[in-house]
Amino acid sequence: GQNIDQPTEMTATEGAIVQINCTYQTSGFNGLFWYQQHAGEAPTFLSYNVLDGLEEKGRFSSFLSRSKGYSYLLLKELQMKDSASYLCAVLNDYKLSFGAGTTVTVRA
Amino acid sequence: GAGVSQSPSNKVTEKGKDVELRCDPISGHTALYWYRQSLGQGLEFLIYFQGNSAPDKSGLPSDRFSAERTGGSVSTLTIQRTQQEDSAVYLCASSDFAGGTITGELFFGEGSRLTVL
Repeated sequence: GQNIDQPTEMTATEGAIVQINCTYQTSGFNGLFWYQQHAGEAPTFLSYNVLDGLEEKGRFSSFLSRSKGYSYLLLKELQMKDSASYLCAVLNDYKLSFGAGTTVTVRA
Repeated sequence: GAGVSQSPSNKVTEKGKDVELRCDPISGHTALYWYRQSLGQGLEFLIYFQGNSAPDKSGLPSDRFSAERTGGSVSTLTIQRTQQEDSAVYLCASSDFAGGTITGELFFGEGSRLTVL
């Protein structure tokens, strides 16, 4: 089975940093994805980790520890447009299983 | 096409009616997925296609739900005798596939919002 946990909500101030944690227990593992989803829109790809370590892409970074079943998404220099839901998803063979998502609210 | 296209974008129907939701994946993507997202919830896996075959239908909630894919391209999700609990956004996604796994990200369509009255 798949169990993917992430916090329900987070609030941060514009310009600050927020870290969204994701823990997973899955029957198999081929990689971990982070997606961003604005209200009423389709999820869009942010990052993909298959090996342990940190992947940096502009203001966004994602970290993976396979031995701990743990990942985080780091959002730096927060902007108002970063207010969205962030979805952690684990890939097992062909199947991408999603957590419930973390709603991030950025305040001025 | 340039992206995954879904239709209709919105569908309001009466309880007991049948509905069909359509997905046009990115050209050349052999893997196609249907997910369901209820208000404030995560994405719930429904079914996976590899080409025209559906090796995993484990997420379909009941036998009222069915899906097919033709020509390795367009897919249709059919819900018969709709119930109010079927109200949700139905998302389609496609991806490249090789070596037993997807080779990149899943590209999602904008979704079909179904409301059953």
